[in-house]
Amino acid sequence: EAQVTQNPRYLITVTGKKLTVTCSQNMNHEYMSWYRQDPGLGLRQIYYSMNVEVTDKGDVPEGYKVSRKEKRNFPLILESPSPNQTSLYFCAAGGSNEQFFGPGTRLTVL
Amino acid sequence: DAKTTQPTSMDCAEGRAANLPCNHSTISGNEYVYWYRQIHSQGPQYIIHGLKNNETNEMASLIITEDRKSSTLILPHATLRDTAVYYCIVRPGGGYKLSFGAGTTVTVRA
Repeated sequence: EAQVTQNPRYLITVTGKKLTVTCSQNMNHEYMSWYRQDPGLGLRQIYYSMNVEVTDKGDVPEGYKVSRKEKRNFPLILESPSPNQTSLYFCAAGGSNEQFFGPGTRLTVL
Repeated sequence: DAKTTQPTSMDCAEGRAANLPCNHSTISGNEYVYWYRQIHSQGPQYIIHGLKNNETNEMASLIITEDRKSSTLILPHATLRDTAVYYCIVRPGGGYKLSFGAGTTVTVRA
């Protein structure tokens, strides 16, 4: 079964405490991406990766980092989280026809 | 990518067909129409896509007008589990990025 997993699913943290949200896919897709979803602003792309060691900024990359050392994993890193990064985060993997999204990570930064 | 316009919301009776319109009057020749849906804070789910011919799969049918300036997603027998936000997205063939708008909130009522 095609699957994208994210961990953790819920996280409450404090300003400035580095965190990583993991994303893993079992479909061998080259393309992976991260989105955040906020009320009234919809889903916005943060970063994407076309392949191992190939990453690029999306529409709202400020305050985030990513890495793609293996094809299956695409972690999202917040080096110094701030309250404005409180959001619902989704990872996606797929091809140009169909993309599969993870279940989401709800992050609260106090 | 071409911009899309969808109604903000619509209701549908359970068991009836739901017809979701989308306007994409500035679509260019190499752009496809994609539909995704998001059920209450879950990850978006791919439904269907097409270029100019009508398409059907196990979830829905996609009807694209001959001039390609608009399309309709048809859920043939709506169930309560089809209650979701439906996104119409236009994207070049071979592209990967999904630009989500506000979508249409569809409520299926018993």
